[in-house]
Parts: sequence; C-alpha cells; structure tokens
Amino acid sequence: GAGVSQTPSNKVTEKGKYVELRCDPISGHTALYWYRQSLGQGPEFLIYFQGTGAADDSGLPNDRFFAVRPEGSVSTLKIQRTERGDSAVYLCASSLNPGGSPSYEQYFGPGTRLTVT
Amino acid sequence: QKEVEQDPGPLSVPEGAIVSLNCTYSNSAFQYFMWYRQYSRKGPELLMYTYSSGNKEDGRFTAQVDKSSKYISLFIRDSQPSDSATYLCAMSTLLHDYKLSFGAGTTVTVRA
Repeated sequence: GAGVSQTPSNKVTEKGKYVELRCDPISGHTALYWYRQSLGQGPEFLIYFQGTGAADDSGLPNDRFFAVRPEGSVSTLKIQRTERGDSAVYLCASSLNPGGSPSYEQYFGPGTRLTVT
Repeated sequence: QKEVEQDPGPLSVPEGAIVSLNCTYSNSAFQYFMWYRQYSRKGPELLMYTYSSGNKEDGRFTAQVDKSSKYISLFIRDSQPSDSATYLCAMSTLLHDYKLSFGAGTTVTVRA
C-alpha cells in the first residue's frame, strides 16, 4: 500500500519567507509526527499529533514553527520568517497507534529538503 | 552532551563481514530501543525493536541492550552490498514512548 508521502520533495526559499510543508500519512494511522534532520545528524522530534490535536509540541524550536492537522489526516508544518538555520530535511512519520506496543512503529516519509538562502 | 551518542563512522567492510554498530545514552529512563536504516534521500525504516534489556535476533540482524551500561548494539551478519546505508539508533521513555531520540547515525558501506 501507499506509504507516507511528503510534498514538496525540495523547497528553496529566501530568508524571511514563509513556507508550508505537507504530509500525507498512511491511511488509518491516527498518530502523526514531525522530525527535523540536519546534515550529518539524526532526526530530532518536533511535534506529535493524536487525531486532530497536537498532543506534544515540545520539540518546536520557537514560535516561528507551527503545525496543524485539521481533519486528523493530512498535516502541514508551517515556518514563518525562515532563517538559514532552518535548512534541513523535515521528516513526517505516522503510526497506527501511539504507545509502546509493536503497532507503535513509526513509518517515515522521504522528507522535504528545505534550503533557506 | 547529547542524550544519545553514536559513532558516525564511516564504516567500510567487505561483503560477508560482520558489522558491529553501537550507541551509548545518558537518560536512564529510556526503555524502548530501536534501530533504523536510512538509505540516501529516503526516510528511516525500522529494523529492530527491543523493550528494556536483552537480545533480539531477526535473520541476519541481532540487537542487544545493556541498560546497566547504557549501551546498545546492532550486529549484521553476512553483510551484503544492499546493507550499505546509514544506521540510526533511537530510543524513548515509557512516559513519552512516541518521542524518539536518535543518534547521529553510522554510515556503512559493504564492498562487493
């Protein structure tokens, strides 16, 4: 079946601009996660949605970052006033259930590579 | 200091060799331990999942967790060129089991 999809695959923007990154999770997955992966680093947790609500947004670096999931499926990560330090790969993942059971497996999308010039 | 430390490598081995990867961590609350494989320009995919201490084997892959030493390992036997990828360890706590803390990843090349 279809995996997690993310659009666009690449985004180049100028410093100070606003960007939106989209994630389509696996159908039926209630939990959705955003991570950020800087060059040479592992993914870093940003935010976790259970259904439509953000259950944990403790990883968002500052108030320029915001994410929504209005209908409990597709999610959009929004970054205002982009800075060069925001350049990274933004990964989205989804899971059937949150929690510590095997059904907890997070399936990752290919990511959106954001470059801020 | 990062919560999860992983030697970035790179690691280059001949086909058929055993690949040994490891991570150390500082947060004693970590209870769930995972290994992900990431190919270039792709998202990570789960390889192995272990709860608490012990060993787990799946085909050519063996994961070990030593909570007393805060040390986890992944062994790949009879390595193949298709195993060439970046391997990421990840872990989470009981309370926030969804929030994965990743190591930086070790890049492995298996030479044919």
